[in-house]
Amino acid sequence: DTEVTQTPKHLVMGMTNKKSLKCEQHMGHRAMYWYKQKAKKPPELMFVYSYEKLSINESVPSRFSPECPNSSLLNLHLHALQPEDSALYLCASRTSGRNEQFFGPGTRLTVL
Amino acid sequence: SQQGEEDPQALSIQEGENATMNCSYKTSINNLQWYRQNSGRGLVHLILIRSNEREKHSGRLRVTLDTSKKSSSLLITASRAADTASYFCAPSGGAQKLVFGQGTRLTINP
Repeated sequence: DTEVTQTPKHLVMGMTNKKSLKCEQHMGHRAMYWYKQKAKKPPELMFVYSYEKLSINESVPSRFSPECPNSSLLNLHLHALQPEDSALYLCASRTSGRNEQFFGPGTRLTVL
Repeated sequence: SQQGEEDPQALSIQEGENATMNCSYKTSINNLQWYRQNSGRGLVHLILIRSNEREKHSGRLRVTLDTSKKSSSLLITASRAADTASYFCAPSGGAQKLVFGQGTRLTINP
C-alpha cells in the first residue's frame, strides 16, 4: 500500500461544530504532516509528528488540535472554526532517512 | 527555513512544446524537490536533486541545480494536456520540514 488516504473528501461545518479530519498511511512512515492550502496559494505547514510525537507546531491556533494515536493514523480535530479557515487540508507522510513527502488527496473544508 | 520562489507564476504553451520553470532560493540547501499539484488535489513528488548534483532526469523531466546561483530549473519535454498543473519547488536544508514557493501554474493548450 503506497498511498495516503484522507477522510472525508469534503466537509461543511458551522462555526460552533466539532469535527475531525482523518489521515491514514500504511507505508511504515514515522513522520506525518498537516498542511493548510488556500486557493491559488502553496501549502502551508501546520504540524509535524515524528514517531507519534508532535515535533513542529507552526503557531497554529488552538481551535486546530492534532492527534497521532498510532504510527499509521493522524487526526486533526476542529472546533469553533472561522470562515477564513475554509481551505484544502492536506496530510503527508515521510519515511526516516528520506526527504520525499507523500501527500493524500486532501479534505476540502468549508466553514459557514 | 527555506522557501523557493518560482518563475514564471503562470505559463501557457501548446501541447508538444517544452516547458521550463525556475526556482530561486536564498540560503544553502541539502536538496531541492519539485512537486506537482493537479487542481484541488494532493501534491505528487516528482524529483529530488541533492546539493552535490547538477542535473537529474526522470522520464520527460529534467532538473538542474546551480548552487552557486542558488537556482534550479525544471524542464518538461514534449508536454501533454495531462501536464496541466501547478508546480512547486521546495528547497530543503534538512528532512523534517518543507516550505513551498508560490508555484508555477502550467497550462498545456491542445
